[in-house]
This record gives sequence, structure tokens and C-alpha cells, in this order.
Amino acid sequence: SQKIEQNSEALNIQEGKTATLTCNYTNYSPAYLQWYRQDPGRGPVFLLLIRENEKEKRKERLKVTFDTTLKQSLFHITASQPADSATYLCALVRTGFQKLVFGTGTRLLVSP
Amino acid sequence: DGGITQSPKYLFRKEGQNVTLSCEQNLNHDAMYWYRQDPGQGLRLIYYSQIVNDFQKGDIAEGYSVSREKKESFPLTVTSAQKNPTAFYLCASHLTGQETQYFGPGTRLLVL
Repeated sequence: SQKIEQNSEALNIQEGKTATLTCNYTNYSPAYLQWYRQDPGRGPVFLLLIRENEKEKRKERLKVTFDTTLKQSLFHITASQPADSATYLCALVRTGFQKLVFGTGTRLLVSP
Repeated sequence: DGGITQSPKYLFRKEGQNVTLSCEQNLNHDAMYWYRQDPGQGLRLIYYSQIVNDFQKGDIAEGYSVSREKKESFPLTVTSAQKNPTAFYLCASHLTGQETQYFGPGTRLLVL
């Protein structure tokens, strides 16, 4: 069956360190993959999109990699800040479809 | 301000009652979506609509109904057939040809 897996355990890191979150998928051939940030009680907010023919994408302190051989995307936040504390969701679109399929999300906690 | 609004923020449903969640967008987006979010399960697609007067079932449509009479509006009705309606409901939209979905602030539905 098709699955998207994100680490369900919260990731705790210290301010200034790099946070790395993982998104693994099975039985999909995604056209692209997206990362969203969700704060408690709020809707997700789009952060980055990476296509199947791209290896890496950057935006300010954020970096996303996409390895279609490993079927994995990594999401990095460098120089993390307490304000980065949130749940981060990965989502992918199956090739030929319009619908997004979301992972369960990983909660990031950045302590001062 | 452009964006997606959802109302109410909190909604209480009595046994056997139908309730309607509102979703309005002024982004001129063609496609609109309804997701349900439960703890530890990520976002699951209920219904989606790509054009006015047309909509399709998502992965968990049973017990829900929608309408799309206007481009900017996509209300969701949670019927009495939905036996476990307690969840956080999110509405989203996107412009055809673009991949990013924009989410509303969500409605939390609770059963009395």
C-alpha cells in the first residue's frame, strides 16, 4: 500500500543548531513534494516545493532535498530559532494526479 | 486582505444533527478542498472541487456532503451518518496550474 512516513516523535534541538526532518514514502512516484509548517490550531502554511528532477532547493534558512532512489526527502532548518517550533508536514502529488497526500507531520521544538 | 476564511472557529454538534462548515476564498482560485485532521493521522481528503458545480469524493467522503455553487464558496456538511465527526477541519484552495495549496484557519468540530 502507499504510505508517507514522518517521524511521529517530536524533535528537540537547541537554538542555533540545524534541524533535520525526514519524509519517506513507499509505492508512490511523486511529480513533486512539498513541505508545510503548521502551528497549533492553525492551518498549514506552504514553505517549499521540490520537483522529481531536482535534488535540492533552498529558501533563506530552509533547505529541502529529494532522493527518488531512496524515496526520501529531508527538510533542514539551519540556525534554528525558538520561533521555528511547529509541526512540519510533507505532502506529495502522485504523477498525473492533482491531489496532495500528506504525511502525519513531525513536531519540532527549539529551545533557547 | 486576500485569503481563505472558515467559520465558525469552533462548532458543537448534537447527536443526529447535520452541521455545515463554511469556507470562503477571495483568491480567485479554481480548486477547493476539504481535509480532516485527527491527532497522529495527518490530513485526509474529504472532498474536492476543481470547477464550479462539480466536485469529487476524496478518501473519506462517507458521512459528508458539499456543494460548489459559487467559485469562492465550498461549504461542507457533516451529516448524522458521520459517526465520529470530532476533528479539526481544514479548507484549502489553489489556482489551476500552480501547485501550492492555501489553507484556511480551520474549524474544530466537537460532539456534545
